[in-house]
Amino acid sequence: KAGVTQTPRYLIKTRGQQVTLSCSPISGHRSVSWYQQTPGQGLQFLFEYFSETQRNKGNFPGRFSGRQFSNSRSEMNVSTLELGDSALYLCASRPTSSYEQYFGPGTRLTVT
Amino acid sequence: AQKITQTQPGMFVQEKEAVTLDCTYDTSDQSYGLFWYKQPSSGEMIFLIYQGSYDEQNATEGRYSLNFQKARKSANLVISASQLGDSAMYFCAMRDTYGNNRLAFGKGNQVVVIP
Repeated sequence: KAGVTQTPRYLIKTRGQQVTLSCSPISGHRSVSWYQQTPGQGLQFLFEYFSETQRNKGNFPGRFSGRQFSNSRSEMNVSTLELGDSALYLCASRPTSSYEQYFGPGTRLTVT
Repeated sequence: AQKITQTQPGMFVQEKEAVTLDCTYDTSDQSYGLFWYKQPSSGEMIFLIYQGSYDEQNATEGRYSLNFQKARKSANLVISASQLGDSAMYFCAMRDTYGNNRLAFGKGNQVVVIP
């Protein structure tokens, strides 16, 4: 079974631009969560989607948004990029039958 | 608020030896779950092991075992017979309660396995 995939793997954007990151969960997984990892703040939860509905949201500004499609694929969007948004963005999927979350390889975003 | 603490400095471990990574947590909930993940330099978070708060037995997965001491709020990871490929950052994480899948992570432990 294929793992979680994330595209693109690397991205360079300019301050003020917006960006969309994509995540395809493991087949059959309906829960997708997003995390931001920075050297200073570590790993922080962004949001979780299940069956196209946002179930949880972390403490991030409204510039960070996401959605999930009927095939469980998820996207997250960051508008008006700031230098501090430079980070590794990780997506994780979870099967309904267990609590284990499986992460993708991440998208490394650099904002200049 | 939940909190995960990993305070060990970077560790050097001899190949084939065992290593224990400390993790303490703070929660007032009765139902929770604890995870360990491995993050090599490539960045991907690799799931290692999971322990539910009501699980009576310590979790084991191959060379990984979780030493769960509920009263002490401790969930240490033991890696037996270290291999060079075990060199990575290791993160302890806790799941919120009652169906909430948000994970709160510790700051991580750096492990370097030397031949």
